[in-house]
Amino acid sequence: EDKVVQSPLSLVVHEGDTVTLNCSYEVTNFRSLLWYKQEKKAPTFLFMLTSSGIEKKSGRLSSILDKKELSSILNITATQTGDSAIYLCAVVDVQGAQKLVFGQGTRLTINP
Amino acid sequence: ETGVTQSPTHLIKTRGQQVTLRCSSQSGHNTVSWYQQALGQGPQFIFQYYREEENGRGNFPPRFSGLQFPNYSSELNVNALELDDSALYLCASSLPGKLTDTQYFGPGTRLTVL
Repeated sequence: EDKVVQSPLSLVVHEGDTVTLNCSYEVTNFRSLLWYKQEKKAPTFLFMLTSSGIEKKSGRLSSILDKKELSSILNITATQTGDSAIYLCAVVDVQGAQKLVFGQGTRLTINP
Repeated sequence: ETGVTQSPTHLIKTRGQQVTLRCSSQSGHNTVSWYQQALGQGPQFIFQYYREEENGRGNFPPRFSGLQFPNYSSELNVNALELDDSALYLCASSLPGKLTDTQYFGPGTRLTVL
């Protein structure tokens, strides 16, 4: 059965700190890995990583895919209170439907 | 470009009732997926529709059913509601194909079953 595990489940840091969120996966028909940020309801798309694009960066956020270790990290530097959210990792399983298999999420809290 | 919209925002039902949730996909997207997110959990895949046909289904019982219309909007129907059906129901739209794995989510419908 497909499985995505995120760690830590919860993280509290001070504004300005750098954080690293982890995601590991066991998916039979892996094609890509996505990171989402969920503040209230709608998860908003951050990055997609594939075999041909294993590192992405946008401003203070960056992400790397390690296909050998079946894992990914999401880094946020110089954190701000607006970064407080749940960060979701999802893997695309293309057996049948093009479905997303999500991890439990990491709840990140940035204190001023 | 219009994003994914869902209605209603909140809904309260009692056990045994039936509910219909609605979703309008992002402009140009012909694939719609539905997810259930229980409190403190990641979203779980319910099913996906492509060109009005069910394209795949997760581990949900048959009382969870759906439809997709010619304009690519979609409905999720749940019959015989149970307390455990209380969750945030998310709709996501996308284009099919190898280069478009990104799914764009709507704001969700919060369903409470009493």
